[in-house]
Amino acid sequence: AQRVTQPEKLLSVFKGAPVELKCNYSYSGSPELFWYVQYSRQRLQLLLRHISRESIKGFTADLNKGETSFHLKKPFAQEEDSAMYYCALISGGYQKVTFGTGTKLQVIP
Amino acid sequence: DVKVTQSSRYLVKRTGEKVFLECVQDMDHENMFWYRQDPGLGLRLIYFSYDVKMKEKGDIPEGYSVSREKKERFSLILESASTNQTSMYLCASSDRQGTAYGYTFGSGTRLTVV
Repeated sequence: AQRVTQPEKLLSVFKGAPVELKCNYSYSGSPELFWYVQYSRQRLQLLLRHISRESIKGFTADLNKGETSFHLKKPFAQEEDSAMYYCALISGGYQKVTFGTGTKLQVIP
Repeated sequence: DVKVTQSSRYLVKRTGEKVFLECVQDMDHENMFWYRQDPGLGLRLIYFSYDVKMKEKGDIPEGYSVSREKKERFSLILESASTNQTSMYLCASSDRQGTAYGYTFGSGTRLTVV
């Protein structure tokens, strides 16, 4: 069965410091991975898709199949980055998504 | 611009009541999902549907059922609400090529069972 692990419940960094939110997965097939973000009092929304290899709001994430990881990175944290971040793995023919337990990012001014 | 609408933002129900949570999407998506979101546990899939009148159990279906009579509407039913079903419930939808655009989520229903 597929699994997504986010080892940190809370990550606190100072404004301007680099950010790395960790995500590891286990899946027997070819993974398709996402990062979702939930800002305070807002709905959960898609941040990044690994297939697009894009940078959104300064965030990037690279799929490392050897280490089965999909860490989310940003070189310089901003206060508006404070939010809950979920790593997610898609599997199956019906787009079923398995989410990690989430990491709360707190950017200290 | 709202695409996935959950009928109630907050709901308080008594133990043993039958509870209906409604979700409507206007994007003509084939797939719809119900998750519950709990601190420290993340999002856990309750049920999903890939077509009208079709449903599949997720990871935690016990105590829940669903109904999808129309493509745009996916209802979650708590047959006999219990206090351990107090949670935030999130509805989501995606098209058949969900890998391209991911899920679109509703704003959630915070259910309290007393």
